[in-house]
Amino acid sequence: NAGVTQTPKFQVLKTGQSMTLQCAQDMNHEYMSWYRQDPGMGLRLIHYSVGAGITDQGEVPNGYNVSRSTTEDFPLRLLSAAPSQTSVYFCATSGTTDYEQYFGPGTRLTVT
Amino acid sequence: GENVEQHPSTLSVQEGDSAVIKCTYSDSASNYFPWYKQELGKRPQLIIDIRSNVGEKKDQRIAVTLNKTAKHFSLHITETQPEDSAVYFCAASINRSNYQLIWGAGTKLIIKP
Repeated sequence: NAGVTQTPKFQVLKTGQSMTLQCAQDMNHEYMSWYRQDPGMGLRLIHYSVGAGITDQGEVPNGYNVSRSTTEDFPLRLLSAAPSQTSVYFCATSGTTDYEQYFGPGTRLTVT
Repeated sequence: GENVEQHPSTLSVQEGDSAVIKCTYSDSASNYFPWYKQELGKRPQLIIDIRSNVGEKKDQRIAVTLNKTAKHFSLHITETQPEDSAVYFCAASINRSNYQLIWGAGTKLIIKP
């Protein structure tokens, strides 16, 4: 089992460009979420999903879109990249019994 | 909005001594409190968690205590070892969901040999 995978590992964008960060899981978890991690600020929830077809906003959703067409995949789209979106992005999944969140390896994004 | 405060931001202890990290939360409906460890360049991983119907939970050298009245919870690591060096994050569930978490800013734990 691969667990939670994320691609790409690293990405550099110019201001105004758009891109999609991919997240996939083979754990059959219903809950998936996207976080950004900035130095000294912990993890902040961007968007989350409690199942296929259902998404909702977290603490810092502006500038990001998500969709959940399958249980396995939960892509995060940056609509028009800004330097403030320079961060490390983590995808996480959770089952319905023990609530542990399993994180992907992260994507380090730099916007210039 | 809801928040979680975590202290200290950096903690340096001698190998073999104990370390304590404290968190306070604001959402009185929070009922799930996990602790994650993140080594440099790695993903966060759960080390211990506690639910609101329990006051204390222990797993070998790690323990967590919860005081719901005061809205604070703490991580205790005894007999610290070099491999305990990492950043530790506390979190609390919000919006009556055990999936939605709000996170503390993290504590960098340094174990001195």
